[in-house]
Amino acid sequence: AQRVTQPEKLLSVFKGAPVELKCNYSYSGSPELFWYVQYSRQRLQLLLRHISRESIKGFTADLNKGETSFHLKKPFAQEEDSAMYYCALQGAQKLVFGQGTRLTINP
Amino acid sequence: DTGVSQNPRHKITKRGQNVTFRCDPISEHNRLYWYRQTLGQGPEFLTYFQNEAQLEKSRLLSDRFSAERPKGSFSTLEIQRTEQGDSAMYLCASRLTGTGGDGYTFGSGTRLTVV
Repeated sequence: AQRVTQPEKLLSVFKGAPVELKCNYSYSGSPELFWYVQYSRQRLQLLLRHISRESIKGFTADLNKGETSFHLKKPFAQEEDSAMYYCALQGAQKLVFGQGTRLTINP
Repeated sequence: DTGVSQNPRHKITKRGQNVTFRCDPISEHNRLYWYRQTLGQGPEFLTYFQNEAQLEKSRLLSDRFSAERPKGSFSTLEIQRTEQGDSAMYLCASRLTGTGGDGYTFGSGTRLTVV
């Protein structure tokens, strides 16, 4: 079974504070994991993918196969980071999403 | 090509009525996906097409739901005898076979409200 779990529905931090959005997955094969983001009034878009190991907008995410986790991190939050964040797994032929975490950055 | 286009943006219908949504994917993308998103949930997979062939349907897709992609281009999603539980955002996405999870392009969605 393919499953993605994001345990926090809401996360609120102050500007400049570190951010960590948690994601755990269940997949029998070799996982391909992503973070998607949806800013207010915009469509769902890719933020980053585990394969590239890149940093996008200051965010990074490391795939931990032992803990089956793919947490999203940013050392210093900015107000424009406020959005819905979805962890997603590319399973057999389709993307499977977690329930999402609404991140609010307080000034 | 301006990306994935969905129409209408919003639809309000009375319970029991039929509704149809349309999705126009990126022209060179041969795969087209439908997802449903309810309040507080992530997108849930409904079905997908490769060209005109519907290759997978979720258990969420009851008999009242039907999707088509007649010429391998645009797709329609029809809901018959709508129920209040059908109220949701319906998202369409497309991608090219061989691209991974970063190859999806999503539309803005159609928000359905059943009253």
